[in-house]
Amino acid sequence: AQSVAQPEDQVNVAEGNPLTVKCTYSVSGNPYLFWYVQYPNRGLQFLLKYITGDNLVKGSYGFEAEFNKSQTSFHLKKPSALVSDSALYFCAVRDMNSGGYQKVTFGIGTKLQVIP
Amino acid sequence: DTAVSQTPKYLVTQMGNDKSIKCEQNLGHDTMYWYKQDSKKFLKIMFSYNNKELIINETVPNRFSPKSPDKAHLNLHINSLELGDSAVYFCASSQGLPNTGELFFGEGSRLTVL
Repeated sequence: AQSVAQPEDQVNVAEGNPLTVKCTYSVSGNPYLFWYVQYPNRGLQFLLKYITGDNLVKGSYGFEAEFNKSQTSFHLKKPSALVSDSALYFCAVRDMNSGGYQKVTFGIGTKLQVIP
Repeated sequence: DTAVSQTPKYLVTQMGNDKSIKCEQNLGHDTMYWYKQDSKKFLKIMFSYNNKELIINETVPNRFSPKSPDKAHLNLHINSLELGDSAVYFCASSQGLPNTGELFFGEGSRLTVL
């Protein structure tokens, strides 16, 4: 089964500094990887995805992610953090069941705290 | 217009009761899901329907019964509620085959069982 791991429960970064939220994956075949963000008391929002093509994927709110096949990683990055980026970030991977339907499995989430 | 809407947003009830959560999406998607988010924010898929057909049924107690009257609606009924059912339940939708995996989530329904 496909899975993702987020090794950090929490990441703290000063406003204006670059941020990185880590994710590693374990898949058979080609990975379909995603990042979602959850603000307090809200549903998850899609940020970006990697399916194929360029290893650097750009997404919403200035976020980007780098797919690294040799390190089986898909880290989320932003050049300059904003206080409003403080939220819970989920890495996710798409798996397919025997019927050809997708099942998206999420990591445990990483809380990003941007300090003013 | 809200893309994926869930009702109720909050639900407080006693152990042993039966309750339902409703979900509607106006995105024209074929596939809908129920996810459970526990107190540690861990998200786990429960069920998925594609065009009213059950396609994913994870290891969930049979006290939980999803129903999809049409592809725009997916409801979740829970019988004999237990303390451990307390969680936030999220409905989501995505395009059917071929799909790109992007899920659109509702705002969640927070269930508290006393």
